[in-house]
Amino acid sequence: EPEVTQTPSHQVTQMGQEVILRCVPISNHLYFYWYRQILGQKVEFLVSFYNNEISEKSEIFDDQFSVERPDGSNFTLKIRSTKLEDSAMYFCATAPEREGYGYTFGSGTRLTVV
Amino acid sequence: AQTVTQSQPEMSVQEAETVTLSCTYDTSESDYYLFWYKQPPSRQMILVIRQEAYKQQNATENRFSVNFQKAAKSFSLKISDSQLGDAAMYFCAYRATGGGSQGNLIFGKGTKLSVKP
Repeated sequence: EPEVTQTPSHQVTQMGQEVILRCVPISNHLYFYWYRQILGQKVEFLVSFYNNEISEKSEIFDDQFSVERPDGSNFTLKIRSTKLEDSAMYFCATAPEREGYGYTFGSGTRLTVV
Repeated sequence: AQTVTQSQPEMSVQEAETVTLSCTYDTSESDYYLFWYKQPPSRQMILVIRQEAYKQQNATENRFSVNFQKAAKSFSLKISDSQLGDAAMYFCAYRATGGGSQGNLIFGKGTKLSVKP
């Protein structure tokens, strides 16, 4: 079964550093998302991406965050100047063109800011 | 704004028994999708089952079935013949339809299910 691949699985970074989280979507999926889950809390939507541009973003997704798909395959989330409260699991999810199918989530990147 | 509520932070079931996890949601939309996701200790999010609001028939996937009550805005998950591997966090999620676009998921806070041997 096709998978969404995320790298790295775990990243530790110092406060103030920049991190890039990577996702390889399922090949025929056209919609891409980033979600965040702070430990013990619910999963929160960050941003959706379609046709090489952001289609929707939440209040969490401020100027500290950016997304791009630089080479047509990887879908990246960049977090500039990380803060302690950015520590969380970050999930990439993708969905096909057809309406109504559930998203396929990657296995997540655990980001720890120290 | 749409919200999803899971009122049971934790549930426990005996192996081979049946358990029902509750979910309610609030929306003014008439057409939408509802999902249950499973998150085992590995923390991967796995789609368990989905329901389209315009379909009255309850969705089923093997041992998993839902009781979808549109008027009551209720979407419970029933797990039959529970297995040890069912132990996980279960998240209920809502997504509005978008005329072909794929909107974002709104999640509940989750229910932690334990399965006793």
